[in-house]
Amino acid sequence: QVQLKESGPVLVQASETLSLTCTVSGFSLTNYGVIWVRQPPGKGLEWMGIIWRNGNTDYNSALKSRLSINRDTSKSQVFLKMNSLQTDDTAIYYCTRVRRFGVQVMDAWGQGASVTVSS
Amino acid sequence: DIQMTQSPSFLSASVGDRVTINCKASQNINRYLNWYQQKLGEAPKLLIYNANSLQTGIPSRFSGSGSGTDFTLTISSLQPEDVATYFCLQHNSWLTFGSGTKLEIK
Repeated sequence: QVQLKESGPVLVQASETLSLTCTVSGFSLTNYGVIWVRQPPGKGLEWMGIIWRNGNTDYNSALKSRLSINRDTSKSQVFLKMNSLQTDDTAIYYCTRVRRFGVQVMDAWGQGASVTVSS
Repeated sequence: DIQMTQSPSFLSASVGDRVTINCKASQNINRYLNWYQQKLGEAPKLLIYNANSLQTGIPSRFSGSGSGTDFTLTISSLQPEDVATYFCLQHNSWLTFGSGTKLEIK
């Protein structure tokens, strides 16, 4: 059974760094990439970055300067770090999986991690 | 960057109605468009991939159509459990989400 699960702090102070973990099961990170997506309260979805199955990364240009995504394939975990947090980074953060663009894109999602940035 | 224009933003319909939601891309995205359902407090669920392919386990009342720049999600007979926000995602060139359609029962 394919599963993704986000974990991390619920509350982060402004100007600090957010660290989230996505733990996957039912598939291998060497066969699928992981995309981080966020959704501010009452708003739409924004893709943040991707770590591909070969370990390469791509980032949304709007967040690239603040964002880093890494992984530990032996633990089936993907890590997101975003620095210089502001209150408008308050959102639900999801991890999803991707085979490649055009093939199995975001077909499974984690339940989401709610993060509040406090000033 | 590809922009996705989704309409309507809000939709109220009766049980049993045929419902359509549209997404328009700012340029050709071939058939690389997915549709998702997001119920309140839940993660998005994939309904349709690559414009018209029904994801496993999704009821057949959901269907998708379109190619190029214009796409439609159709619910053939609206059920109470379909109350949710629906959004599209293009994955032809990077990723862009539609703004969402909130569907309610009249």
